[in-house]
Amino acid sequence: GQQVMQIPQYQHVQEGEDFTTYCNSSTTLSNIQWYKQRPGGHPVFLIQLVKSGEVKKQKRLTFQFGEAKKNSSLHITATQTTDVGTYFCAVPPNDMRFGAGTRLTVKP
Amino acid sequence: DGGITQSPKYLFRKEGQNVTLSCEQNLNHDAMYWYRQDPGQGLRLIYYSQIVNDFQKGDIAEGYSVSREKKESFPLTVTSAQKNPTAFYLCASSSLRGRLDPKNTEAFFGQGTRLTVV
Repeated sequence: GQQVMQIPQYQHVQEGEDFTTYCNSSTTLSNIQWYKQRPGGHPVFLIQLVKSGEVKKQKRLTFQFGEAKKNSSLHITATQTTDVGTYFCAVPPNDMRFGAGTRLTVKP
Repeated sequence: DGGITQSPKYLFRKEGQNVTLSCEQNLNHDAMYWYRQDPGQGLRLIYYSQIVNDFQKGDIAEGYSVSREKKESFPLTVTSAQKNPTAFYLCASSSLRGRLDPKNTEAFFGQGTRLTVV
């Protein structure tokens, strides 16, 4: 199955700072998904990107899919304590492999 | 309510015993997946199934077995051959319409089962 590399592994920010996590693939992806897992919880779907160069926003979250469809990013503007958790990218639809995740901690 | 259910939430077993984790979904999804998550780590794919009576190994299938006798159910057995079975196990399901249409292929996860082997 297709594998994606996700960086960074950890990110600790002060509340109000921005946060970005990246997923990179050596092969062209048909689409990519992003999930959030709160501490002690299970992953929850955030969004799916399909088109080359696609940008989608959800309030303070901005998702991008690269022009070559080999990389993607999730950017959070002005982090809040509610943003704490681990953010994963995933490559559907066959074997649904996930990136290693980026764990975000936010200091109030 | 439509969803995916894992049971039990917590499970304790003695070393050397096989244990079966339940996963049931009523979302009419074709695909089901099992993942293992160790503390502070990502999701590692154990097995997945795209159709009844068929399944494929993921990245860490050794010491695990699955069955898919019904579309709704995908139980995972952790055998005594699994050297370090203590972990958080997550089951998920998704539609496979994405093969031709990438829409609606999001994975829905169960609440997970925390297995502790002593």
